[in-house]
Amino acid sequence: GAVVSQHPSWVICKSGTSVKIECRSLDFQATTMFWYRQFPKQSLMLMATSNEGSKATYEQGVEKDKFLINHASLTLSTLTVTSAHPEDSSFYICSARVFSGMNTEAFFGQGTRLTVV
Amino acid sequence: DAKTTQPNSMESNEEEPVHLPCNHSTISGTDYIHWYRQLPSQGPEYVIHGLTSNVNNRMASLAIAEDRKSSTLILHRATLRDAAVYYCILGPYNTDKLIFGTGTRLQVFP
Repeated sequence: GAVVSQHPSWVICKSGTSVKIECRSLDFQATTMFWYRQFPKQSLMLMATSNEGSKATYEQGVEKDKFLINHASLTLSTLTVTSAHPEDSSFYICSARVFSGMNTEAFFGQGTRLTVV
Repeated sequence: DAKTTQPNSMESNEEEPVHLPCNHSTISGTDYIHWYRQLPSQGPEYVIHGLTSNVNNRMASLAIAEDRKSSTLILHRATLRDAAVYYCILGPYNTDKLIFGTGTRLQVFP
């Protein structure tokens, strides 16, 4: 099946610095990818929809200037957490959806655990 | 997005069947019922989806009520590796994004 890969799997950064997370679709092209955030013992929260070649669409309450999304190719979307603070520590997950006839399935990356110290 | 209601947690013994319920009384005619699960410290993975008829695949079965206001994910023989949070999600076929609810945390005991 299709594979979505995230890098890095985990990252620790100092408060005030920026962190970039990559999301790649390895064997299919994804015009649209999604970024989620998940705090411990909570569900996934959709942050934004990443659109290849155009601006991302952010969910209500998500700061677009803090969470920069770039989708420059059909296989790569990046999420940059700018000026990270401890409250940004979370599990970030990307996904892409594949439609094939009557089949529809979303593929998720393995997630990136961000710790801001 | 139509809302789903799932029990917070369920328990099962290994090799027993597990029935995970989901209520979705406000489902619309174009909403598919999707099930995903998330193992600890991993991204979610697809389990199954359906519209009106019951569905089977290698992982599970999906039983959909005739009025479509509820559905049940059936794991025929639970294994320890099935311990995960199971999410029931509604959405039209042609929508890209998935909105996750709180899900059901399944514990499987040996």
